[in-house]
Amino acid sequence: KAGVTQTPRYLIKTRGQQVTLSCSPISGHRSVSWYQQTPGQGLQFLFEYFSETQRNKGNFPGRFSGRQFSNSRSEMNVSTLELGDSALYLCASRDTQNEKLFFGSGTQLSVL
Amino acid sequence: DQQVKQNSPSLSVQEGRISILNCDYTNSMFDYFLWYKKYPAEGPTFLISISSIKDKNEDGRFTVFLNKSAKHLSLHIVPSQPGDSAVYFCAAYFGNEKLTFGTGTRLTIIP
Repeated sequence: KAGVTQTPRYLIKTRGQQVTLSCSPISGHRSVSWYQQTPGQGLQFLFEYFSETQRNKGNFPGRFSGRQFSNSRSEMNVSTLELGDSALYLCASRDTQNEKLFFGSGTQLSVL
Repeated sequence: DQQVKQNSPSLSVQEGRISILNCDYTNSMFDYFLWYKKYPAEGPTFLISISSIKDKNEDGRFTVFLNKSAKHLSLHIVPSQPGDSAVYFCAAYFGNEKLTFGTGTRLTIIP
């Protein structure tokens, strides 16, 4: 099976712009989660989608949003970008019968 | 509210010796624990896990120990190899809740 695929791999934006990141989960996985990684902060949970419904949400401002499509692919959107949004954004999928999360390689976002 | 804590940001170990990475948690509802390994600019990869009904799980050079009364788990790597140099994250969850990660420990294996 192909792994979790995230696009794009790298992204450079300026403050105030918006960005959309994409994630294709492992085939058959219906749960997709998004995490933000910044130095010293570990992996901060953004949200989780299951069968097109947001199941869990982390403590991020409303500028961060996401959605999931019927084919389980997911997108994450950040509006009005701030310098502090520069981070590695990781998508992960899991087979709900098995508790492991499988991660993609991430999208490295730089906000200038 | 950091429910999963890794108090050592970094650890250096001689090649061939044992590496011990520690993790503490506060939420007694957690019933499944995992360790992930991460290289720079890559996503974390699953290493080993343990259910709360067990106190030990072994997979090759990797062993995870769980002490529920102390709310503590540890990852032992024996023997340590240069390729083990990476950031290690412990994580925990229960039910269908989110997977909560610690802040990570950077392990450096000295040849």
